Amino acid sequence: DIQMTQSPSSLSASVGDRVTITCQASQDIRNYLNWYQQKPGKAPKVLIYDASNLETGVPSRFSGSGSGTDFTFTISSLQPEDVATYYCQQCGYLLTFGPGTKVDIK
Amino acid sequence: QVQLVESGGGVVQPGRSLRLSCAVSGLTFSNSDMNWVRQAPGKGLEWVAVISYDGSDKYYADSVRGRFTISRDNSKNTLYLHMDSLRTADTAVYYCAKGERYNGSGKKFKYWGQGTQVTVSS
Repeated sequence: DIQMTQSPSSLSASVGDRVTITCQASQDIRNYLNWYQQKPGKAPKVLIYDASNLETGVPSRFSGSGSGTDFTFTISSLQPEDVATYYCQQCGYLLTFGPGTKVDIK
Repeated sequence: QVQLVESGGGVVQPGRSLRLSCAVSGLTFSNSDMNWVRQAPGKGLEWVAVISYDGSDKYYADSVRGRFTISRDNSKNTLYLHMDSLRTADTAVYYCAKGERYNGSGKKFKYWGQGTQVTVSS
């Protein structure tokens, strides 16, 4: 099975800051990596698919990069509505979610 | 408007069974791979199972293989998860999610239900 790690597990940043989350797969998953945002009590929402493609309707301050085993998710300018937990998900072999990164406003 | 509505959750004793349903509308259900994803209290997301559009292929997470069965009825636009030998560790909100393919083998979950709570407790 493919294992996913994420770092950091949580972070606190100011409005307008650039926020970066990393995700690592235990084996090569090519570009088969998605990023989700989950707000408390809500279902997750896909933001990025295929490692770097922005889902329709998602603000352009969200972006993703990487391939193989190492991936990065970036919020270019953190907004109050971005407070949430962010998960990476590999779909190279079956499906696995990363453990999540909780993002708060400082 | 796409809607996925889960039902069937509740409180059940360890070792017992439960069947979840997910009623889908607003999309062509019979063309869609479907998934179950769960989230234990205060924990992260865990993919549980997937079924292909025609029901011919099914895959499970190691934690539920042999105890849970995913199925579908395309005539009723409904997805099911039959859960046997339930454990306290199965306590979670269970979501159904529609898989969408990209770039050949890639899959993303664009549409999700609101979730149904399953509590396994004596």
